Amino acid sequence: QKEVEQDPGPLSVPEGAIVSLNCTYSNSAFQYFMWYRQYSRKGPELLMYTYSSGNKEDGRFTAQVDKSSKYISLFIRDSQPSDSATYLCAMSALDSWGKLQFGAGTQVVVTP
Amino acid sequence: DAGITQSPRHKVTETGTPVTLRCHQTENHRYMYWYRQDPGHGLRLIHYSYGVKDTDKGEVSDGYSVSRSKTEDFLLTLESATSSQTSVYFCAISEEFGRYTDTQYFGPGTRLTVL
Repeated sequence: QKEVEQDPGPLSVPEGAIVSLNCTYSNSAFQYFMWYRQYSRKGPELLMYTYSSGNKEDGRFTAQVDKSSKYISLFIRDSQPSDSATYLCAMSALDSWGKLQFGAGTQVVVTP
Repeated sequence: DAGITQSPRHKVTETGTPVTLRCHQTENHRYMYWYRQDPGHGLRLIHYSYGVKDTDKGEVSDGYSVSRSKTEDFLLTLESATSSQTSVYFCAISEEFGRYTDTQYFGPGTRLTVL
C-alpha cells in the first residue's frame, strides 16, 4: 500500500469554479506538506508549502493540513484555463529530509 | 526551472546499453536528487546527494548509479538499460539543511525510452 494516496482524476471543472484536491497519507511522522503543479511535459513546480497542521493561503490557492485525519487539501478559487495541469502532493518526515513521498498526481482540466 | 538543466532531453536506446543522464545547476545548492516519474506511481526517488562525492540510495535505486564530482553536476547512470527503465527522469535541487530543506526545485526532465 502506498504511503500517499491521490485520486488521479481527471477532474474537469468550468472556468471560475473552485477546484478541490486532496491526498491521504498513512505515515503519522510526516510534518512537511507540499503541493506541486506540473504542466504537460514540464518539471513540477512548487506551489504551496506547509509545515505541520493548519491552513495557508496564497492568492487563489489555499492549502489545508489535517494531521488528525492524515488528510491534506488544496483549493483553487476562480479557476482559470491556465490552471489546467497535474497537481502532485508531496510530504516528508522531520528526520528524513529530502526523501519526499509523492502522490501519483491529479489531472485538472479547467474548461472555458 | 530554478537554474537547472538536464541533458539529453530525449533519448532512445537499446536494452543492455549504458546510459548517462546529466543534471547541471547554477544555484550552488548542496542537495541534488534524481527521480523517475511513471504513470500511476508519481515521482519516486532514485538517488540523492548531500555534497560532492556524498550520495545515497533512494526508494528505487536498483540498476542505477550516480556520481557527483562537482557541486553543480549530478550524473545518473544506467549501467545496462532495461525496458523497465523507460521513464521520465527529473533532477531536483534544494538548499542547505534546515526547515526549508525539503523545498525541492525540479529540472525540465529527460524522456528515456529503452527498446
